[in-house]
Parts: sequence; structure tokens; C-alpha cells
Amino acid sequence: IVMTQSPLSLPVTPGEPASISCRSSQSLLYSNGNNYLDWYLQKPGQSPQLLIYLASNRASGVPDRFSGSGSGTDFTLKISRVEAEDVGVYYCMQAVYIPLTFGGGTRVEIK
Amino acid sequence: EVQLVESGGGLVQPGGSLRLSCVASGFIFKTYWMTWVRQAPGKGREWVASIKEDGSDKYYVDSVKGRFTISKDNAKDSVFLEMNSLRAEDTAVYYCARRRSGDGWTVDYWGRGTLVTVSS
Repeated sequence: IVMTQSPLSLPVTPGEPASISCRSSQSLLYSNGNNYLDWYLQKPGQSPQLLIYLASNRASGVPDRFSGSGSGTDFTLKISRVEAEDVGVYYCMQAVYIPLTFGGGTRVEIK
Repeated sequence: EVQLVESGGGLVQPGGSLRLSCVASGFIFKTYWMTWVRQAPGKGREWVASIKEDGSDKYYVDSVKGRFTISKDNAKDSVFLEMNSLRAEDTAVYYCARRRSGDGWTVDYWGRGTLVTVSS
């Protein structure tokens, strides 16, 4: 499954919203009704961290300004109000089929 | 606090071998699947391999099948990646990661990674 993210780079203004798109070449909607799409963030100098799993579930400790939506092949990660600490590279990953596959990443930076 | 610490990376010649280790802490290691993911310089992330809680089931990406072996030592809270017949295209930062309990293959914790460079 090919995962395609856009944009490649996203300059953002603190306090403003931001949105990242992820598309899969096959549906990630399984027969049980779950969409197996995850979002990760790797901040500079840190390990990657899980933000969103099953398309819309925030991981433990993730601020509620992060939200995930979408179904099937089209997914979106939204940050309601960007903060300076949100800079880094965001990745989507399909979590339903082996081999697991990742989007190419979106680099979020402060304007 | 969940921690995953990788080691064993380094410079190796093409055709050589390397063994990566990952020591886990902060959770009951024997009850989790573990995974290795890599990222080559300037490229995207690539899932490499996953191993079941008790080590009885393993999956690999096609490009490493027959060359890499994932294993798990629950007594030592460790997961390993034995890499043989290394190629230049195996050059990457290798991350150890934990599969989240429950449905799907979500990875919920990652290590900081260890760099493997395959070059003559």
C-alpha cells in the first residue's frame, strides 16, 4: 500500500490552524469498521511519538489541539492552534497490512 | 516510563554482518510484539520486521528476507536484529519500536535509533 502525504513542507504561524493530508492506495477501512491509519511526529533530536491511532484516537498524553479524521483512503491530521513545540516531521502509517508502510513525511516549521 | 534503547550500529563493509540490540524497560516486555523500522538518509521510513510476544511468529519486508533475522529474549527484555549480507541500501537509522496492544499494527513507543552505515 502506497501512502502519499501532502504537503511536503508546511510553514505555520503560532496560534493558527494547520492541516496535513494522507492518502492510501487501498482502503484502510477494515470489515470491523476501524480505519487503520496512524499519525506520528518526530521532533528534532527526539524519538518518534504516536499522536493518533485508528484514524481519530488521540494517544495518551497528546494535546487535544491534535485531531485526526477520514476514512477509507483519505485522512487528515489537524492542529487547531499550532504551538512552537509542534515543529518536526509528521508521518502517517497504514497499520492494517504487512508490510506496514509510511507516508513520506511533512515537515512543519514556524514561519 | 516506557524506554527503548538501541545499540550495535556502526560502519560495516558490503557483505558484512551486524547485530542490533534493543533493551526495553517500563513495561511487561514478554506481552508485546516488537518491531524494527528504518529510515535511510533522505528517504522515508520503512518497516523492517516484527516479532510476536513469545517469538513464535515473525514478519519481514521483502527486501531483507533471508538476510535479516529478528529475535526476542524475554528474560533479558531485549529484541535483536541480526543483519547479514549487508548492502549499501541497508544504510539507515534503525529504530526499535513496540506494537500497541489491541487491534492493528500501531507502534506506540519508539527508541532513538542506531545508525548503520554500509560502505567500503
